[in-house]
Amino acid sequence: DAGVIQSPRHEVTEMGQEVTLRCKPISGHNSLFWYRQTMMRGLELLIYFNNNVPIDDSGMPEDRFSAKMPNASFSTLKIQPSEPRDSAVYFCASSLQGARETQYFGPGTRLLVL
Amino acid sequence: AQSVTQPDIHITVSEGASLELRCNYSYGATPYLFWYVQSPGQGLQLLLKYFSGDTLVQGIKGFEAEFKRSQSSFNLRKPSVHWSDAAEYFCAVRNQGGKLIFGQGTELSVKP
Repeated sequence: DAGVIQSPRHEVTEMGQEVTLRCKPISGHNSLFWYRQTMMRGLELLIYFNNNVPIDDSGMPEDRFSAKMPNASFSTLKIQPSEPRDSAVYFCASSLQGARETQYFGPGTRLLVL
Repeated sequence: AQSVTQPDIHITVSEGASLELRCNYSYGATPYLFWYVQSPGQGLQLLLKYFSGDTLVQGIKGFEAEFKRSQSSFNLRKPSVHWSDAAEYFCAVRNQGGKLIFGQGTELSVKP
């Protein structure tokens, strides 16, 4: 079975450009999570969806960040405009809904904003 | 507020030696606790989890963890470390709403 798929795996862009990160969750999973990993702040939850509906976006840094989940098999995280401090590894994870369910992580997108 | 503390940023052990990685949590209710491992350039993989019942939990790759409510701890152990265990290890607590809160991670190096 395919795991969580993220694209691109690496992204290098210039400050001010729009960046779109993509995620395909595991088929059948109805919860989806976006995390950011940096040396300074560790792993932070940015936003999560249940049944395509955003539940908690309190971790989204600012209005430059937005996330959508138009259907059960696809989600995007967009940064517009990007800034150097957005450089990080962004992970998508999915699970069945419920606090006891295991979250399965994708391989991550390594973003570098110059 | 919920939080997870991993006191050791980096640990080095010799191959074949035993390992214990420390994790302390702060959570008002019964915690759901997890250990994940991250190899370089990879995503996180679940090693084991605890919800209730037996406080000693077995996981994959020969790892186990013990939940101690009195100490608010969930330490990860392995009796004999292999070179392939070198990675970063994350402890996490999950609240009823489903949000995972991670510790800062412990990087494990294994000496030959």
